[in-house]
Amino acid sequence: AQSVTQPDIHITVSEGASLELRCNYSYGATPYLFWYVQSPGQGLQLLLKYFSGDTLVQGIKGFEAEFKRSQSSFNLRKPSVHWSDAAEYFCAVGAPVQDKLSFGAGTTVTVRA
Amino acid sequence: EAGVAQSPRYKIIEKRQSVAFWCNPISGHATLYWYQQILGQGPKLLIQFQNNGVVDDSQLPKDRFSAERLKGVDSTLKIQPAKLEDSAVYLCASSLAGPLTGEQFFGPGTRLTVL
Repeated sequence: AQSVTQPDIHITVSEGASLELRCNYSYGATPYLFWYVQSPGQGLQLLLKYFSGDTLVQGIKGFEAEFKRSQSSFNLRKPSVHWSDAAEYFCAVGAPVQDKLSFGAGTTVTVRA
Repeated sequence: EAGVAQSPRYKIIEKRQSVAFWCNPISGHATLYWYQQILGQGPKLLIQFQNNGVVDDSQLPKDRFSAERLKGVDSTLKIQPAKLEDSAVYLCASSLAGPLTGEQFFGPGTRLTVL
């Protein structure tokens, strides 16, 4: 069965600084990978996804993620964070054969002025 | 385009009571999901519907949880009787296709507190 680990529970970053959120997955073949964001009181929103092809994926809100097969990672990055990026971020892995999606425990991002 | 609607937004009950949550997916979305999100954890799929048929309910505690999707549109999730460990946010999502090929759109969730 597939699984995903987000090693950082909480990250604090200054506004304008860069952000990187880590995600490691476990799956026997090439997985489908996703990043979602959950703002306070709101549902999850898809930031980006990787199925195949170019390992650097561009998403909404200026986010990007890079798939590294050798490291079983799919880290999320943003060059310059805005106060509105304060939220909880979830990495998810999908198993194509089973058509199932499994979420990590999430990383909470706090943005300080 | 209207999003996924859920009600109520908050619910407080005592253990052993029953509770029901309602979800209205985005119009035209064939697939509907119910997730349980316990504090400090990621969402866990409880049940997935394709139209009004159940695709996956392997993680649904069937002794106390039940769900239905009437006419392939709205859905209700019921807990009877509730336990303390059921305290969580219950998220409903919908998509045009399956969870991997169809983007899931999530509702705001229902926060359940069981005392």
